[in-house]
Amino acid sequence: EAQVTQNPRYLITVTGKKLTVTCSQNMNHEYMSWYRQDPGLGLRQIYYSMNVEVTDKGDVPEGYKVSRKEKRNFPLILESPSPNQTSLYFCASSFSPPSAPNEQETQYFGPGTRLLVL
Amino acid sequence: SQQGEEDPQALSIQEGENATMNCSYKTSINNLQWYRQNSGRGLVHLILIRSNEREKHSGRLRVTLDTSKKSSSLLITASRAADTASYFCATTPNRDDKIIFGKGTRLHILP
Repeated sequence: EAQVTQNPRYLITVTGKKLTVTCSQNMNHEYMSWYRQDPGLGLRQIYYSMNVEVTDKGDVPEGYKVSRKEKRNFPLILESPSPNQTSLYFCASSFSPPSAPNEQETQYFGPGTRLLVL
Repeated sequence: SQQGEEDPQALSIQEGENATMNCSYKTSINNLQWYRQNSGRGLVHLILIRSNEREKHSGRLRVTLDTSKKSSSLLITASRAADTASYFCATTPNRDDKIIFGKGTRLHILP
């Protein structure tokens, strides 16, 4: 089954304790992306990756890191989490980049990771 | 902020009626997409319209795009209870591969 998986689905942590949220897709997609969703603010893009070893900042990259060592995986790293990073995080992937989208397949979203930073 | 804006923020209509949501954005775009989200779950892609297109249809969905006004509308005809969800527009600016989402419209279909 084609899917984007994220782990963990729920996480409670404390300020300053490094954490990683994993994202994996099994569709051989080239474009992968991380978003955070906050009430009243909709989704905001954190980082995106066009392919292996190619990553770029989205609108809200501060406090986050990513890596793309393999095509299928795109982990989100919070080196020193702070309470303002409490949010719902989504990973997404697509075969084509958004500037040249395949009409039938744009982004597939993961189920989300709820993060609470105390 | 480059975020777009959906209008209205919330909409309640009777089952069977048509629902119209609007999206405005700020920069020139390559394409615009609409997504649906059910209660905190992942988003589901509904339809894509390119900047050189003015109208697209997909089943009960009709999307229009007016690039001169930097706006788009999503019409859902003959609404059903299962259409209850939040709807987001997302734009890709020209010469960029970012994706910018609006804040969404919460649609509630009343039985």
